[in-house]
Amino acid sequence: GQSLEQPSEVTAVEGAIVQINCTYQTSGFYGLSWYQQHDGGAPTFLSYNALDGLEETGRFSSFLSRSDSYGYLLLQELQMKDSASYFCAVIGGADGLTFGKGTHLIIQP
Amino acid sequence: NAGVTQTPKFQVLKTGQSMTLQCAQDMNHEYMSWYRQDPGMGLRLIHYSVGAGITDQGEVPNGYNVSRSTTEDFPLRLLSAAPSQTSVYFCASSPSPGTSGSKTQYFGPGTRLLVL
Repeated sequence: GQSLEQPSEVTAVEGAIVQINCTYQTSGFYGLSWYQQHDGGAPTFLSYNALDGLEETGRFSSFLSRSDSYGYLLLQELQMKDSASYFCAVIGGADGLTFGKGTHLIIQP
Repeated sequence: NAGVTQTPKFQVLKTGQSMTLQCAQDMNHEYMSWYRQDPGMGLRLIHYSVGAGITDQGEVPNGYNVSRSTTEDFPLRLLSAAPSQTSVYFCASSPSPGTSGSKTQYFGPGTRLLVL
């Protein structure tokens, strides 16, 4: 089976940096993805890591350590529009994604 | 491209009724899947398909059927609705596993289902 752990809620200040952690236990592993979901909306893809290290896409970066079964999403220069839920998800094989329960990011002005 | 479309957006059912949630994509993706999302539970995989004519069960398949007669369409059928099936249902698609872009799943807007 597969399980992922991430904090249920994180609070940060506009303009700051925030890190959302994810640890996983899987029977198979191809990569770790991150998705963003605004209230009432659909999940949208943010980033993917198959290999150890940091992937950067604009203000968002994602890190993976396969040996530690750990990854994180880093959001820089936080904006109010970044208030959303963030999900880590493991690609374990052909059977799709297994999602964590999500981290609700609250941004304060 | 319309991407992934889902109908209806909202639905109210009585216990025991059946219905079909529609999902279509126009990106020629081989892989399609259905998830349900409940508060505090994240998204859980119901059924998935790696191509026309091929379907398989995910984490929570009981009470649901699927079929994949074409590449474009992947309907989800509730056989006899129960209050426990009250949820938001998302359909997703992606290129075939192992191909460029296959790591990205594209989600439809969701169907909000209430079973009384």
